[in-house]
Amino acid sequence: AQKITQTQPGMFVQEKEAVTLDCTYDTSDPSYGLFWYKQPSSGEMIFLIYQGSYDQQNATEGRYSLNFQKARKSANLVISASQLGDSAMYFCAMKEYGNKLVFGAGTILRVKS
Amino acid sequence: EAQVTQNPRYLITVTGKKLTVTCSQNMNHEYMSWYRQDPGLGLRQIYYSMNVEVTDKGDVPEGYKVSRKEKRNFPLILESPSPNQTSLYFCASSLGQGVTGELFFGEGSRLTVL
Repeated sequence: AQKITQTQPGMFVQEKEAVTLDCTYDTSDPSYGLFWYKQPSSGEMIFLIYQGSYDQQNATEGRYSLNFQKARKSANLVISASQLGDSAMYFCAMKEYGNKLVFGAGTILRVKS
Repeated sequence: EAQVTQNPRYLITVTGKKLTVTCSQNMNHEYMSWYRQDPGLGLRQIYYSMNVEVTDKGDVPEGYKVSRKEKRNFPLILESPSPNQTSLYFCASSLGQGVTGELFFGEGSRLTVL
């Protein structure tokens, strides 16, 4: 079974608007971490934001926030005030015991001017 | 500057010609890992290492070898590359075990096997 599911292969958003990238996960482990990475066209993997399974509040990092709904096993990334430089591939990933990150298939985001 | 360095960044080779992709990190991280990225599949783990001389298979280890003789280095070896190993490869490292702590990625190595 898929551990991480990103149902949106591609998304468009107008510059300066907010966008939500969906991510659902599957685990029976009570302790886990959820990550979002950005991959621009140049190819590097850029860490954006982290949410721990025991964290009471949703994580935020600048324009990025993680909408964590534990009961629904959902960890959506919200980007506020989109910029042209946000155009990239976005990966949701989960870490259970150990250091292995399991990735979703990714969502390509295109910001329109 | 803290970084994970991979070489080569780009390589075109032919079937059966052994190659090594090097990976080095300067953060004194215990954990290192190799991933491959293919369209529609995200990143999949090939091999990982918890520490020096400790390596283990990930999800897609067939056709690959690794070694961890020093803490900072974790080379990926393709003994007899085949076209289905054409992919974008990432080396990554992190400080220790547990569910917290991001993985730091190298810039990626794009390999084409003809």
